[in-house]
Amino acid sequence: SQELEQSPQSLIVQEGKNLTINCTSSKTLYGLYWYKQKYGEGLIFLMMLQKGGEEKSHEKITAKLDEKKQQSSLHITASQPSHAGTYLCGADMRIYNQGGKLIFGQGTELSVKP
Amino acid sequence: EPEVTQTPSHQVTQMGQEVILRCVPISNHLYFYWYRQILGQKVEFLVSFYNNEISEKSEIFDDQFSVERPDGSNFTLKIRSTKLEDSAMYFCASSWTLLTDTQYFGPGTRLTVL
Repeated sequence: SQELEQSPQSLIVQEGKNLTINCTSSKTLYGLYWYKQKYGEGLIFLMMLQKGGEEKSHEKITAKLDEKKQQSSLHITASQPSHAGTYLCGADMRIYNQGGKLIFGQGTELSVKP
Repeated sequence: EPEVTQTPSHQVTQMGQEVILRCVPISNHLYFYWYRQILGQKVEFLVSFYNNEISEKSEIFDDQFSVERPDGSNFTLKIRSTKLEDSAMYFCASSWTLLTDTQYFGPGTRLTVL
């Protein structure tokens, strides 16, 4: 079965510092999603990557998918307190004929100290 | 901006009682999903639904669970006889298509079974 592992599990950074969160898949990814979740709230869509080597940016967040499509990274530049929350990567299972199901990593909890 | 809404935000029930969790997906979306997240654990897929049929369901989605689209706007998850282990955050999501399309999540319903 497909597994997604995220690292690190938690991260505390000083405001203004850069950081990277990784997501590794046991199988080739068809599509990889990044979501942000604040404690006790819903998942906010950040970005979706589908092609090997693809890179997308939104404001200070950049996500990349490696050429082999088994690893993705999320990079935040000049972190701010508003970036705090849990970041989840999710894998699209459609390629394995599993009707739209997303499976998720365990999340990376980010704290940003002012 | 269109969003997925869910009601109630918090539901407390006694073990063995039936609960119905409600969702209003984004209006032009055709695919609907339920996920759950037990406190401190991963977000888990429950079921996907399209054209008034279940497309895919997980092992968690047993006979105690059912889904329905009773009208053109609502999408519901029913748990017939709740158990303590059903306590979790339940998220509804929707997407426009099945292939290469983002799933947008609602804010969740926190279900507490006593």
